[in-house]
Amino acid sequence: GAGVSQSPSNKVTEKGKDVELRCDPISGHTALYWYRQSLGQGLEFLIYFQGNSAPDKSGLPSDRFSAERTGGSVSTLTIQRTQQEDSAVYLCASSFRGLAGGPYNEQFFGPGTRLTVL
Amino acid sequence: ILNVEQSPQSLHVQEGDSTNFTCSFPSSNFYALHWYRWETAKSPEALFVMTLNGDEKKKGRISATLNTKEGYSYLYIKGSQPEDSATYLCAFATGNQFYFGTGTSLTVIP
Repeated sequence: GAGVSQSPSNKVTEKGKDVELRCDPISGHTALYWYRQSLGQGLEFLIYFQGNSAPDKSGLPSDRFSAERTGGSVSTLTIQRTQQEDSAVYLCASSFRGLAGGPYNEQFFGPGTRLTVL
Repeated sequence: ILNVEQSPQSLHVQEGDSTNFTCSFPSSNFYALHWYRWETAKSPEALFVMTLNGDEKKKGRISATLNTKEGYSYLYIKGSQPEDSATYLCAFATGNQFYFGTGTSLTVIP
């Protein structure tokens, strides 16, 4: 079966430009997470979507970062006016999480998008 | 920001050796503790999801234990093989959020 896919796999952009990163989760997975890994750092939680509920945006590092999830499926992470410190690998993960459920199911990760801001 | 610590940061072992790593996490607001294996050029893959204090899980040569009262989990690999070489991540789950450690990088020398 299809796993989590992300595009593009690599993105090189100039400082100040906007970028969009896409995530296609596993069909039927209700929960979707975005993380980033900067050089030498652990995975940093960015945002969490669960079904049609309002997303948990508490991990977004600044108002230049935003994300959407359309139709409970595909998600787009947008970074406006990119800065060099935004350079990182951005990972998306999905899992099944029931309506009243907690974080008790494994996450399935995509291959990531490596973003380089020059 | 919650602190999830993993030790050691890196480890080199000979093929056939057994080894273990530690994940330390806050002992409050605990929902679950996840372990993932992340091989180079691949995506992280789940090993275990642990929820109950005293949990022990096993998958082949890999096992894990959980102590939520003192805030630690151990991952054990018995008879390490070169294919076990990877970074092992733990993630502390509280509510909606996951807090990952920086991982233990394991290299198994043939």
